[in-house]
Amino acid sequence: NAGVTQTPKFRILKIGQSMTLQCTQDMNHNYMYWYRQDPGMGLKLIYYSVGAGITDKGEVPNGYNVSRSTTEDFPLRLELAAPSQTSVYFCASILSLGNTEAFFGQGTRLTVV
Amino acid sequence: GEDVEQSLFLSVREGDSSVINCTYTDSSSTYLYWYKQEPGAGLQLLTYIFSNMDMKQDQRLTVLLNKKDKHLSLRIADTQTGDSAIYFCAEETGGFKTIFGAGTRLFVKA
Repeated sequence: NAGVTQTPKFRILKIGQSMTLQCTQDMNHNYMYWYRQDPGMGLKLIYYSVGAGITDKGEVPNGYNVSRSTTEDFPLRLELAAPSQTSVYFCASILSLGNTEAFFGQGTRLTVV
Repeated sequence: GEDVEQSLFLSVREGDSSVINCTYTDSSSTYLYWYKQEPGAGLQLLTYIFSNMDMKQDQRLTVLLNKKDKHLSLRIADTQTGDSAIYFCAEETGGFKTIFGAGTRLFVKA
């Protein structure tokens, strides 16, 4: 099993550009999450999904969109990149709530200039 | 609102014990977690504790939970240079969310 795979690993965007961060998991997990990690700020939840076709906003959803057309994929879309979106983005998935491990991708380091 | 707080840095000598502390606000948390993040990598689960437990031991790791004070700690015995990393405390709140602290960067001096 590959676990949680995120692409790309690094990206530099200009202000106003758009991009999609890809996230795929092969563990048949229902729950998937997108977090951003800013220095000294911890992980903030952007969006999450409890199953295919179901998504919901987290703590910091503004400027982002998601979709969940399949169990495996949970892409994160930035429509109009802003410098405030410079961060490291992590995708995670879990099988179920409770004492189960969350599997994290390697992260995408995004810089908006 | 929900919040998890940790100190940002800890420095210890190799062989000493490390204690990383965390406070959380949601009294309905069911599980509390410790994750480790090594440079350039994602987070990996180290250990977890259910909210009705006071202590959990797992080899060199000891987790203490004081539910009254909403205080969680992670003790690493015989700390090694390979333990240098960022350690995240997290609480699973009601619903589907897991809230993470800012992470404690552990430096281990040889």
